[in-house]
Amino acid sequence: DAGITQSPRHKVTETGTPVTLRCHQTENHRYMYWYRQDPGHGLRLIHYSYGVKDTDKGEVSDGYSVSRSKTEDFLLTLESATSSQTSVYFCAISGTNYGYTFGSGTRLTVV
Amino acid sequence: DAKTTQPPSMDCAEGRAANLPCNHSTISGNEYVYWYRQIHSQGPQYIIHGLKNNETNEMASLIITEDRKSSTLILPHATLRDTAVYYCIVRVEGTYKYIFGTGTRLKVLA
Repeated sequence: DAGITQSPRHKVTETGTPVTLRCHQTENHRYMYWYRQDPGHGLRLIHYSYGVKDTDKGEVSDGYSVSRSKTEDFLLTLESATSSQTSVYFCAISGTNYGYTFGSGTRLTVV
Repeated sequence: DAKTTQPPSMDCAEGRAANLPCNHSTISGNEYVYWYRQIHSQGPQYIIHGLKNNETNEMASLIITEDRKSSTLILPHATLRDTAVYYCIVRVEGTYKYIFGTGTRLKVLA
């Protein structure tokens, strides 16, 4: 979607290695979110940010950390990737009360 | 946390109206109800949102009960391209996080 970009789109990494996913927005929205999606599950919130350097945990935050040093970028880090973190990761942005705009997703495979 | 409940799956004949229900009995205050859909593995796409009154846009209509504990998304003339997973979500009170459930998998049949 215009205004939000995720990188990389695909990544294969080995167990135990650190991985960082990037979400970049050009909409100047305050709120940014990271979700993961696995077969049989809906979207599960990992972490979200409500401003620069302001973040909070979601439903499934264990094993993940985030950082937001500027409005346009929200980074998701897997400190030591595990096979259970193989998933599709979606970033989303939100203005005020008008819901989300989602990115195209990052497909991460941990082998 | 605020939660929504939706049937896991529904079928609808092409050209007919698809009515997708959602229960959000714990919704509070002035929280909106949002509807999204996800086609294949794409990012979810916004459809519509509402607070108290019924809403309509070019994609769908949203009917919210007077007590606001449930809502129904209506696709008036479903097409095969409407086959998707539909999510109804509300914001968790006091935060800016939204919790998705597993949604309703709608299959439009030819």
